Amino acid sequence: DAGVIQSPRHEVTEMGQEVTLRCKLISGHNSLFWYRQTMMRGLELLIYFNNNVPIDDSGMPEDRFSAKMPNASFSTLKIQPSEPRDSAVYFCASSPTRGLTYTFGSGTRLTVV
Amino acid sequence: GEDVEQSLFLSVREGDSSVINCTYTDSSSTYLYWYKQEPGAGLQLLTYIFSNMDMKQDQRLTVLLNKKDKHLSLRIADTQTGDSAIYFCAGDRDDKIIFGKGTRLHILP
Repeated sequence: DAGVIQSPRHEVTEMGQEVTLRCKLISGHNSLFWYRQTMMRGLELLIYFNNNVPIDDSGMPEDRFSAKMPNASFSTLKIQPSEPRDSAVYFCASSPTRGLTYTFGSGTRLTVV
Repeated sequence: GEDVEQSLFLSVREGDSSVINCTYTDSSSTYLYWYKQEPGAGLQLLTYIFSNMDMKQDQRLTVLLNKKDKHLSLRIADTQTGDSAIYFCAGDRDDKIIFGKGTRLHILP
């Protein structure tokens, strides 16, 4: 298995543009987590899904952020419109069992200018 | 305060032991974890300990858990340059894993 795959690895966009980050889970994993990492705040959990259903989105900063799981192996995190303060590294992680061990993707480094 | 707290930086000479400390607030965690993040990469699970254990050893790694004090530590014996990374302490809660801010381990020659 290739592990959790995120795309793109790097994204530079202008303020106000829509950004879509993508994540492919490991086959057979049924939980998906989106995190944001910054120097100031560390690793923040944005949202997580179990069996394609959003369980907890309390970490999503604002309505500009949305996440979906159109099928069991794929998820998107969308920011519309993007702002400079959204600049961070966004990670997704998947797990075969709720709350046990996570496998992280390599992250998407987002820069909003 | 934060759910999981750890110091942000640690410098250790190559060959010495590194000890990274962590305190947590939620005593209901079943598992406590140490994850490692190398530059430009995601977090990788390094080791974990079940909450009813007080020690776990895995090659150069020793995890100590003091449940009374809610204190977790990671000892890396014979620290090498390849151990340079950010180390995250974490605990499970409500089907999620809560991470600390990470300790950046710097290896001195």
